[in-house]
Amino acid sequence: QKEVEQNSGPLSVPEGAIASLNCTYSDRGSQSFFWYRQYSGKSPELIMFIYSNGDKEDGRFTAQLNKASQYVSLLIRDSQPSDSATYLCAVYETSYDKVIFGPGTSLSVIP
Amino acid sequence: DAGITQSPRHKVTETGTPVTLRCHQTENHRYMYWYRQDPGHGLRLIHYSYGVKDTDKGEVSDGYSVSRSKTEDFLLTLESATSSQTSVYFCAISESEGAYNEQFFGPGTRLTVL
Repeated sequence: QKEVEQNSGPLSVPEGAIASLNCTYSDRGSQSFFWYRQYSGKSPELIMFIYSNGDKEDGRFTAQLNKASQYVSLLIRDSQPSDSATYLCAVYETSYDKVIFGPGTSLSVIP
Repeated sequence: DAGITQSPRHKVTETGTPVTLRCHQTENHRYMYWYRQDPGHGLRLIHYSYGVKDTDKGEVSDGYSVSRSKTEDFLLTLESATSSQTSVYFCAISESEGAYNEQFFGPGTRLTVL
């Protein structure tokens, strides 16, 4: 089984700034990538899915995928205190035929 | 939440007792999953199901069994609970497998084994 790694944080950014969350994976055959947001005491919520190399934008969120370097990142523009949560990166690994979750990065947006 | 409920939401039990957690969905999705979430480990797959009576093991299946007799229900049983099984358990559902496996999670069950 391959690994998905994230910095555990906490990552602190001021309100209105850009938050950048990174995720690396070890299986070169990985095909698709997911970002989940999890508020404290709540369940994970899917916020982004990216399959192709490049950027995918959805509102204030942008996912960036670089398969050659084996990383995927999530940018949150104009960060709000309500964005404070743990962000889980998940990777569909072809060899394992399952989605593998990273440990998550805790984000704190300071008003 | 995408039509997924879990019961009970909280449970305290003693070592050695059997425990069953229930996941119920109203989305008619084919795939269902049980995960546990522990600090520092993230979400780890216990068992999953790809249809009625079709189940398979995940990475941390020891001490757990599952059953799926109806599309909407997926049960997780701890045969003889141990303190190491204290965790938060999440059920997830998905319409498809493979690269488009977008999973939607239930509210979770917090289990404490004393």
